[in-house]
Amino acid sequence: DVKVTQSSRYLVKRTGEKVFLECVQDMDHENMFWYRQDPGLGLRLIYFSYDVKMKEKGDIPEGYSVSREKKERFSLILESASTNQTSMYLCASSRIDRDTEAFFGQGTRLTVV
Amino acid sequence: KQEVTQIPAALSVPEGENLVLNCSFTDSAIYNLQWFRQDPGKGLTSLLLIQSSQREQTSGRLNASLDKSSGRSTLYIAASQPGDSATYLCAVRGNEKLTFGTGTRLTIIP
Repeated sequence: DVKVTQSSRYLVKRTGEKVFLECVQDMDHENMFWYRQDPGLGLRLIYFSYDVKMKEKGDIPEGYSVSREKKERFSLILESASTNQTSMYLCASSRIDRDTEAFFGQGTRLTVV
Repeated sequence: KQEVTQIPAALSVPEGENLVLNCSFTDSAIYNLQWFRQDPGKGLTSLLLIQSSQREQTSGRLNASLDKSSGRSTLYIAASQPGDSATYLCAVRGNEKLTFGTGTRLTIIP
């Protein structure tokens, strides 16, 4: 069974903290993605990666960075957490072939206080 | 820039009814369209994937259609059940990225 696993379901962090969200997939997928989901705004792409050490900005990269040192792991980093980064964060992966489906993790609900 | 719209935002139907969820997109240059289900506070579960060259896909009580030229897709759910209550999202793939609609929140009334 295919699996995308996010390291935490719930996180509470303080303003100004550096926050790491981890995502691991076991499907040997080339592509990995980080989205955030907010009521009324839907899912918005933060960053994606199509290979180890490669990354591309999505629609809302400001305040975030990413790291992909191994094919199976994609990390999202909030350099200095702010209250407007309180959100549901979703990781996804897919094969590089454009006719294949994407698989999502269970989500991380991050609250910044 | 691709825009994906799902109307209505919310829908309530009695158990047992057949129903249709709608998805429209502005740029027909897509590789595929995927329907997802999301339960409250959870991640997304893939339901159906339709390639750009296909017209429809079926899985159990679910049938999804795609009309790429008009920028529309529908998700048909037959004989609805309370367990179908969830938010349904469609997403279109262009190059590497998925662009999502904001979803339809479906409630099946027992």
